[in-house]
Amino acid sequence: AQSVTQPDIHITVSEGASLELRCNYSYGATPYLFWYVQSPGQGLQLLLKYFSGDTLVQGIKGFEAEFKRSQSSFNLRKPSVHWSDAAEYFCAVGPLRAGGTSYGKLTFGQGTILTVHP
Amino acid sequence: DADVTQTPRNRITKTGKRIMLECSQTKGHDRMYWYRQDPGLGLRLIYYSFDVKDINKGEISDGYSVSRQAQAKFSLSLESAIPNQTALYFCATSDFGTGDQETQYFGPGTRLLVL
Repeated sequence: AQSVTQPDIHITVSEGASLELRCNYSYGATPYLFWYVQSPGQGLQLLLKYFSGDTLVQGIKGFEAEFKRSQSSFNLRKPSVHWSDAAEYFCAVGPLRAGGTSYGKLTFGQGTILTVHP
Repeated sequence: DADVTQTPRNRITKTGKRIMLECSQTKGHDRMYWYRQDPGLGLRLIYYSFDVKDINKGEISDGYSVSRQAQAKFSLSLESAIPNQTALYFCATSDFGTGDQETQYFGPGTRLLVL
């Protein structure tokens, strides 16, 4: 069964500092990978996704993520954090299509809460 | 207007009551999902539907049922609510075969408190 681990429950950074949120997955083939952000009181917004091709993926709000097959990782990065980035971030993995069929289910990590200090 | 809407946004109910959470979407997607979010556990899949005639259990379906009334509507019911069903519930939609490659889009969530 597929699984996702976000090792850091809570991260605190200063505004303007760089950020890296970790995500490790367990899956038998190349998965679909996603990062979502949930601002306080809000739903989940898609930041970026990886399906195939270039392993460095650009997303919205200045975020990027790199897929590393050898490390089973899909870490999220941002070079300079803004106070508005304070939120909870979720990594998710979905199954690759097989034989023309996809189950479409996402498995989520536990989430990482980001606090930004001024 | 939002593409995925959920009603109600907040609900307080008592143990043993029946409650229905509704989800509507204007994205034209065939696939719809219900998740619940609990602190420290991320989101867990309750039920999903790939079209109007298709209903599938997720990893935590016990105590829940669903109805896919139309392509655009997917309802989640708690037949007899219990306190450990207190959570934030999300509906999501996705499409298959349009090049969007299974990206799921989420509604704003329904916060449910069972007393």
